[in-house]
Amino acid sequence: KAGVTQTPRYLIKTRGQQVTLSCSPISGHRSVSWYQQTPGQGLQFLFEYFSETQRNKGNFPGRFSGRQFSNSRSEMNVSTLELGDSALYLCASSLGGTGNEKLFFGSGTQLSVL
Amino acid sequence: DQQVKQNSPSLSVQEGRISILNCDYTNSMFDYFLWYKKYPAEGPTFLISISSIKDKNEDGRFTVFLNKSAKHLSLHIVPSQPGDSAVYFCAASVRSNYKLTFGKGTLLTVNP
Repeated sequence: KAGVTQTPRYLIKTRGQQVTLSCSPISGHRSVSWYQQTPGQGLQFLFEYFSETQRNKGNFPGRFSGRQFSNSRSEMNVSTLELGDSALYLCASSLGGTGNEKLFFGSGTQLSVL
Repeated sequence: DQQVKQNSPSLSVQEGRISILNCDYTNSMFDYFLWYKKYPAEGPTFLISISSIKDKNEDGRFTVFLNKSAKHLSLHIVPSQPGDSAVYFCAASVRSNYKLTFGKGTLLTVNP
């Protein structure tokens, strides 16, 4: 069974630009979550989607948004990029029933903002 | 407010010995706990989990202990192997909250 796939693997953008990251969950998984990893803050929760509905959102500015499609694939968008947005963005999927489940992570998208 | 804390940024052990990684939490609503292992530039890999109704869970060389009264959990790796060298993250969740709260990780180095 294929794992969680994230594209692209690496991105370089400049301040003020916007970026869209893509995530394909494990087949049969209906929940997709996004996390940001930075050296200083560790892994921080961005948002979670299940059946195209956002069920929870982390403490990030409105420049960070996401969506989920009917095939459970998900995208996240960051607008008006800032230097501090440089991070590894991780997508995770799970079956999505109770919320108390192990998450399966992709390899991430490394975003560098110059 | 850091609800999940891993107070040791790093730990070094000899191959074959026991590795003990610790994690403390402050939110008494957490009812599910997990450990993940992570290599640089890769996503975390699930290791083991424990529900708040249990105090111990084993899976091969990995055992997680939960002490709810102390709000403390630990991961024991026995015996430790050089391939175990990685960053280990403790995480916790609340049912129907649909998110994991992570500690900042502990870098484990297992020396041959």
